[in-house]
Amino acid sequence: DTGVSQDPRHKITKRGQNVTFRCDPISEHNRLYWYRQTLGQGPEFLTYFQNEAQLEKSRLLSDRFSAERPKGSFSTLEIQRTEQGDSAMYLCASSLGRDSDNEQFFGPGTRLTVL
Amino acid sequence: DAKTTQPPSMDCAEGRAANLPCNHSTISGNEYVYWYRQIHSQGPQYIIHGLKNNETNEMASLIITEDRKSSTLILPHATLRDTAVYYCIVRAPSKNTGNQFYFGTGTSLTVIP
Repeated sequence: DTGVSQDPRHKITKRGQNVTFRCDPISEHNRLYWYRQTLGQGPEFLTYFQNEAQLEKSRLLSDRFSAERPKGSFSTLEIQRTEQGDSAMYLCASSLGRDSDNEQFFGPGTRLTVL
Repeated sequence: DAKTTQPPSMDCAEGRAANLPCNHSTISGNEYVYWYRQIHSQGPQYIIHGLKNNETNEMASLIITEDRKSSTLILPHATLRDTAVYYCIVRAPSKNTGNQFYFGTGTSLTVIP
């Protein structure tokens, strides 16, 4: 257990429905990341927050995806009008904002299945 | 960030040392080498990282060549629980942007009884 929690762990939804995932990072970590992982591939970066500011978004983050970190603590990732191609493991990670290096601690992930 | 090259799979006998190579020939002077592993259906787990010097912790040792173009992760006494996908990542530290990791496809290590 890294101290990063994600909820739910599994989500099955029908195509076209909206889903929302939550990530609770390690409490003193000011950086938070979302990644997506499909079968047989390594995690791919989606977006990054420093405190409540969303500083980077990947091209993978289409306009159906939105992420928030309202108070610089927990974060949510919402997918609107889900598609079968959204089926993946969604991983959250957090880290301290040190200058020298940046070890990220990952949560267990939320596995999304879109039927 | 520099690209890394890893063998897609490796086997190791239980109790023996597992040596996982990584090539990062285009690494820049300020880029760190990180190793993570991912056991099936779990989130990636941090193992170790380094810049220039060799590093050791309770999990593993990291050997970085003098020219920094390659590195080796060493698990000194592999157990069945070390069976996982191992990712070698290089990235530079940044205050604001560019903090994400690029994982690649890693090396699938199988520890054989």
